[in-house]
Amino acid sequence: DSGVTQTPKHLITATGQRVTLRCSPRSGDLSVYWYQQSLDQGLQFLIQYYNGEERAKGNILERFSAQQFPDLHSELNLSSLELGDSALYFCASSVGLHGGELFFGEGSRLTVL
Amino acid sequence: DQQVKQNSPSLSVQEGRISILNCDYTNSMFDYFLWYKKYPAEGPTFLISISSIKDKNEDGRFTVFLNKSAKHLSLHIVPSQPGDSAVYFCAASVGNNNAGNMLTFGGGTRLMVKP
Repeated sequence: DSGVTQTPKHLITATGQRVTLRCSPRSGDLSVYWYQQSLDQGLQFLIQYYNGEERAKGNILERFSAQQFPDLHSELNLSSLELGDSALYFCASSVGLHGGELFFGEGSRLTVL
Repeated sequence: DQQVKQNSPSLSVQEGRISILNCDYTNSMFDYFLWYKKYPAEGPTFLISISSIKDKNEDGRFTVFLNKSAKHLSLHIVPSQPGDSAVYFCAASVGNNNAGNMLTFGGGTRLMVKP
């Protein structure tokens, strides 16, 4: 158990819809990261928040947005969903802004039909 | 443009033998490298890392080698055990900068250790 909690574990929705994925980092971790893994692909970095502020951005689509709240939990919002958005979405956390090891949650599997 | 590549999607080895997983990178700014292991239905878990100032780091049965001139790293598992069967991801980052700690991952190698 990494200490990172993601909900929901599974989500099935239709094209055009909007969903919100939630992540609670490990106790004491200030950084939260979101990664997308599509069909046996590697993990693609989406975005990082540190203590409530956006600190790094990867290949995140404009239809996607995220935020980190004062209690440090984070939400990833995916809107106008397309079939290609079907993927595993991982949240990870770390203590600081930078420094190697990330602790990953079990992921949220999104299926867009 | 894949900056971190794992060219072998799968690898099968016999229990007790050595497993060698390879990873290549193109970004010369990367200075910190990690290996993660992932079991089905679980998130990736950290295995071992290496800084660019070193060429080898060992932790029990796991050793990571870094060849900066070739932009290549490898993970050696000796001896391999059936419980090592998992997908292994190589990752790299540009460390210690205020832009954050974005890890760039390779596509993964599925290791199968046969009893």
